[in-house]
Amino acid sequence: DTAVSQTPKYLVTQMGNDKSIKCEQNLGHDTMYWYKQDSKKFLKIMFSYNNKELIINETVPNRFSPKSPDKAHLNLHINSLELGDSAVYFCASSQDPTGRTGYTFGSGTRLTVV
Amino acid sequence: GEDVEQSLFLSVREGDSSVINCTYTDSSSTYLYWYKQEPGAGLQLLTYIFSNMDMKQDQRLTVLLNKKDKHLSLRIADTQTGDSAIYFCAERPGGGGNKLTFGTGTQLKVEL
Repeated sequence: DTAVSQTPKYLVTQMGNDKSIKCEQNLGHDTMYWYKQDSKKFLKIMFSYNNKELIINETVPNRFSPKSPDKAHLNLHINSLELGDSAVYFCASSQDPTGRTGYTFGSGTRLTVV
Repeated sequence: GEDVEQSLFLSVREGDSSVINCTYTDSSSTYLYWYKQEPGAGLQLLTYIFSNMDMKQDQRLTVLLNKKDKHLSLRIADTQTGDSAIYFCAERPGGGGNKLTFGTGTQLKVEL
C-alpha cells in the first residue's frame, strides 16, 4: 500500500536507448511531479501535472516527455539517453496544485547510462 | 530568482541537539519545509512552517524562522543514530506557484 510508487528502482542502460519510468500514487492527490537529483544530491524540478494537465515544464531537453494517462499516474519517457542523464529521478505528489502541505515522494529510480 | 543554501555537513554526538541551518533569498516565500532523506530512499516530509509564524514545535523537532534575515533552522533534540540522514530545506515561492525549490542538503552524521 505504498503511497507513491515508482518502477523500476534501478535502471542501467546504454547511451542512445529509450527508456520509461513509471509512477503511481494512491493518495487521491491532484498534482504530480518529476524531480531529478544529481550526484551532488541537488534536486531540481522537471515537470508538474495537475489532473492530467501539464502545469510546470522547466528547462528540460525535449528528449524527456512526461505522460499522465490519469491523475494517479505520471510516467517519464526519455529518448536517446545520454551519460548526463544519469541521476536519481523522484516522482512526487501533492494534494493540490499549491503544494502548500508539502509533497509525498516516491523512493526514486536510479538511472545509470553507460 | 530563488536560491536556497545549507551547509553540507554536520556531525553530532548521540543525545546532543542538532541544529541545521538554511538561508533563502525569495522574500515572498509563503511556506518553508524540512525533508529527510535516508540512504537509498525518497524524501520524507518532516515539518513545514507558514511564513507568518516564527516557531513551530513537533516532538523533538523545533523549526525557527527569521523572516527578516531569511533564515530557517531545524533543531533536533536528543539526536539519535536513526536521525543520520540528509536534511533538505525547501521553500515555496509566493505568487501562487507550486514549485518547491530545495536547498543543497545537509548530511547529518550522529556518532556514538
